[in-house]
Amino acid sequence: QKEVEQDPGPLSVPEGAIVSLNCTYSNSAFQYFMWYRQYSRKGPELLMYTYSSGNKEDGRFTAQVDKSSKYISLFIRDSQPSDSATYLCAMSGDYQLIWGAGTKLIIKP
Amino acid sequence: NAGVMQNPRHLVRRRGQEARLRCSPMKGHSHVYWYRQLPEEGLKFMVYLQKENIIDESGMPKERFSAEFPKEGPSILRIQQVVRGDSAAYFCASSPPARNTEAFFGQGTRLTVV
Repeated sequence: QKEVEQDPGPLSVPEGAIVSLNCTYSNSAFQYFMWYRQYSRKGPELLMYTYSSGNKEDGRFTAQVDKSSKYISLFIRDSQPSDSATYLCAMSGDYQLIWGAGTKLIIKP
Repeated sequence: NAGVMQNPRHLVRRRGQEARLRCSPMKGHSHVYWYRQLPEEGLKFMVYLQKENIIDESGMPKERFSAEFPKEGPSILRIQQVVRGDSAAYFCASSPPARNTEAFFGQGTRLTVV
């Protein structure tokens, strides 16, 4: 079993929809949870960063961490075609980031 | 403040040649990470370095791969005697001290072995 599981998709939704992206993990020692966005042939860019449990909101993006279920989510409201990308979750207990495989998201105009 | 700079962006090597990938971290960052990404796959950790120190190389293949981060100059990932299976995108990330979990990535070097 991988330490971090993420559905690779693709996930295709119409413009304006609410998108829900998720990762599950097995290591209860993880304390830091990140979401990165990666456009085709580009490096990943940090979107959201959460420490421990709870919610964090930044514009149209909301990150949720449920440590009891070992489950993290990224919600995108009012999705735009420019949100089409691969979204990777990453988590860490110390310095080494453990990555999900990434979910490819397609927003249809 | 320039971001993480990687060069070259694209590198073509014949089987058996050496590949050298360079990474200059963001200003003020002293931690560098190297990752490999195969097509349609996630990022795979290779090595974590601080200046003049390899902290964790558990993700590096035991042979042909090496990495360094000298006191002066960029971090170098070196692949000797490349094989077709080394073809991938190699990403470098850097982070500041004491905030190791926030990593900022370069644009990657796409290595193609022919």
